Amino acid sequence: GDSVTQMEGPVTLSEEAFLTINCTYTATGYPSLFWYVQYPGEGLQLLLKATKADDKGSNKGFEATYRKETTSFHLEKGSVQVSDSAVYFCALRLPNTGNQFYFGTGTSLTVIP
Amino acid sequence: NAGVTQTPKFQVLKTGQSMTLQCAQDMNHEYMSWYRQDPGMGLRLIHYSVGAGITDQGEVPNGYNVSRSTTEDFPLRLLSAAPSQTSVYFCASSRTRSEQYFGPGTRLTVT
Repeated sequence: GDSVTQMEGPVTLSEEAFLTINCTYTATGYPSLFWYVQYPGEGLQLLLKATKADDKGSNKGFEATYRKETTSFHLEKGSVQVSDSAVYFCALRLPNTGNQFYFGTGTSLTVIP
Repeated sequence: NAGVTQTPKFQVLKTGQSMTLQCAQDMNHEYMSWYRQDPGMGLRLIHYSVGAGITDQGEVPNGYNVSRSTTEDFPLRLLSAAPSQTSVYFCASSRTRSEQYFGPGTRLTVT
């Protein structure tokens, strides 16, 4: 069935390190792909999105490219900050399903000074 | 705009009690949904609605009821709480084929 698989955490990085969080998906058709971020005690917020193959979503220094050939949407940031500490969720939305989303299990990131 | 609001923020119930989690949005979104978030499980869809008067089941609907009498409100009812329903509950809303906006969540403990 349709699903999202993302790398398990937790991930701990030093400030200014490079971040990659892997995300792959299984879906029929051509889904839209999203990264959401959840800061402690808060709800999820949209970080970036891509709606078709080869699109790159970007926001706040984070980037992810929709790779149809590898069914992936890996999240990257060149230099993380302490304020990036949060849980990151990869998600997909199938076409022609109204607006039903499938979420990955989340990856916890802690950035230490 | 207040966005998506949820009440209460925290709740403790005894097994067998019932309660309603409230969710409201002021963005005139047609699509609303309820998720539960459990450690290691990500977000799982409980129920969703594509418009007033229309609801449908998601991945884990058992033990929960919903109704959608207005565009703004989408309450989630726990009929007879069980310890397995201890979780964090999130409400979300969106326009069709758009990103979802989430509320701040309700942390529920069932003892």
